[in-house]
Amino acid sequence: QLQLQESGPGLVKPSETLSLTCSVTGDSIGSSTYYWGWIRQPPGKGLEWIGSINYRGSTYYNPSLKSRVIMAVETAKNQFALKLSSVTAADSAVYYCVREGAPFFDYWGQGTLVPVSS
Amino acid sequence: EIVLTQSPGTLSLSPGERATLSCRASHGVSSNSLVWYQQKPGQAPRLLIYGASSRATGVPDRFSGSGSGTDFTLTISRLEPEDFAVYYCQQYGSSPRITFGPGTKLDIK
Repeated sequence: QLQLQESGPGLVKPSETLSLTCSVTGDSIGSSTYYWGWIRQPPGKGLEWIGSINYRGSTYYNPSLKSRVIMAVETAKNQFALKLSSVTAADSAVYYCVREGAPFFDYWGQGTLVPVSS
Repeated sequence: EIVLTQSPGTLSLSPGERATLSCRASHGVSSNSLVWYQQKPGQAPRLLIYGASSRATGVPDRFSGSGSGTDFTLTISRLEPEDFAVYYCQQYGSSPRITFGPGTKLDIK
């Protein structure tokens, strides 16, 4: 059974960089044809796709966040990562890592709440 | 940019009733690219319908999707207590590559 698990700091200060890692079990990122992505959800609000990456490191990002986003994949650890720079309170959200089955997201992590606050 | 609008914002119904949720796109969307999710409080969204009308694995047949072009519908034929949740539509393929609608909250009346 495929499982995804987000990990990272529980709190980020304004202007700093938010860093999250997603660990994948039950499938090998390196041998998979899927993309792997990040979606976020501010408390009480809707879903926003952040970006996606495949095992080769090919990425595509939401244009609204592209200037601040970097995604990377580490196949040896079966993980992929998100970095979001220059965060503000508007970036406070539950961050989900997902498997992108094109054209849908079929597996989701449980999500991790990342507040941005000084 | 394709913008998805969902209506109504909140739908209040009783168990056993039929629910009809709408998702409208600002520009035409390929039917292959329209997806529906269900989200319950404190949980990650769950894939319900893909390709506008195909049920995901394990989804009960009381859930059905339809539509094409700019108008899509999620129908729940007879509401069960566990169906009360927020429902999101999503399109895939046009810049930005992936967008979600704002959601419809299905409330118990």
